[in-house]
Amino acid sequence: DTAVSQTPKYLVTQMGNDKSIKCEQNLGHDTMYWYKQDSKKFLKIMFSYNNKELIINETVPNRFSPKSPDKAHLNLHINSLELGDSAVYFCASSQEDRGLSSGGYEQYFGPGTRLTVT
Amino acid sequence: AQSVSQHNHHVILSEAASLELGCNYSYGGTVNLFWYVQYPGQHLQLLLKYFSGDPLVKGIKGFEAEFIKSKFSFNLRKPSVQWSDTAEYFCAVKKNTGFQKLVFGTGTRLLVSP
Repeated sequence: DTAVSQTPKYLVTQMGNDKSIKCEQNLGHDTMYWYKQDSKKFLKIMFSYNNKELIINETVPNRFSPKSPDKAHLNLHINSLELGDSAVYFCASSQEDRGLSSGGYEQYFGPGTRLTVT
Repeated sequence: AQSVSQHNHHVILSEAASLELGCNYSYGGTVNLFWYVQYPGQHLQLLLKYFSGDPLVKGIKGFEAEFIKSKFSFNLRKPSVQWSDTAEYFCAVKKNTGFQKLVFGTGTRLLVSP
C-alpha cells in the first residue's frame, strides 16, 4: 500500500503552459506539504496545509497555487511554467497538528514528480 | 531564521569503512532533528530522528546519530558501510515550538565502492 502517492511521476511540458500535480496520502495525517528539490538536490518547503488550511507559504511565486480539497489530498497547480520551474516536486504528510507542541513527527514523502520545462 | 549545514557534500568510501556525516544547525531553542536518506531515483525515507531523551539515537540499517546540544550538532554514523548505502543523505531540523517547517541541509552524496 502506497502511503503517499503522486501523479504524474514525470511531466514534460513547454514554457507558458499550466500543469497540475496531484498528491494523496492514506495515512490519516492532518498535515501535508509540497517541497521542491532543485538540480543540486537541495530540498525546500513550498507550502504546508493543515486540515485543508494553508499554514506555510514560503515566498513561492503566485504562479504556484496549492489546493487541498480534503485532508488526504494536496494538489499543486502551476501557471505559466518557466524554465526555472524544472525540478522534482515532493509531496509529504505528517501527524503534525497546528497549535500543539511539535511531537517530533516525521514526514512521509511521496515518490516525487520530475517536472521538465522546455 | 534557522539553517542547517552539512559540511561534506561528497563522500567516497570503500565497503566496510566507517562513516560519519556532519550536521550543524543554527537555532538556540529546542529542536527536533532528523536524518533522511534518498536512494537513487527514490523518495526520501527516514533513517532516524531525535525528539528528546537519550542523545544517542539508533535508526534503521545500522545507522546512529548523536545529538550534542552544546555543539548544535547531529552527526550521522555507521561503523561499516555497504555498497547499498550509496545514496544522498539529508539532515533536517525543526523547532519544537508549535507548528514549524522542516529545514533541510544541502545533502551529502555518499558513494560506496565495492
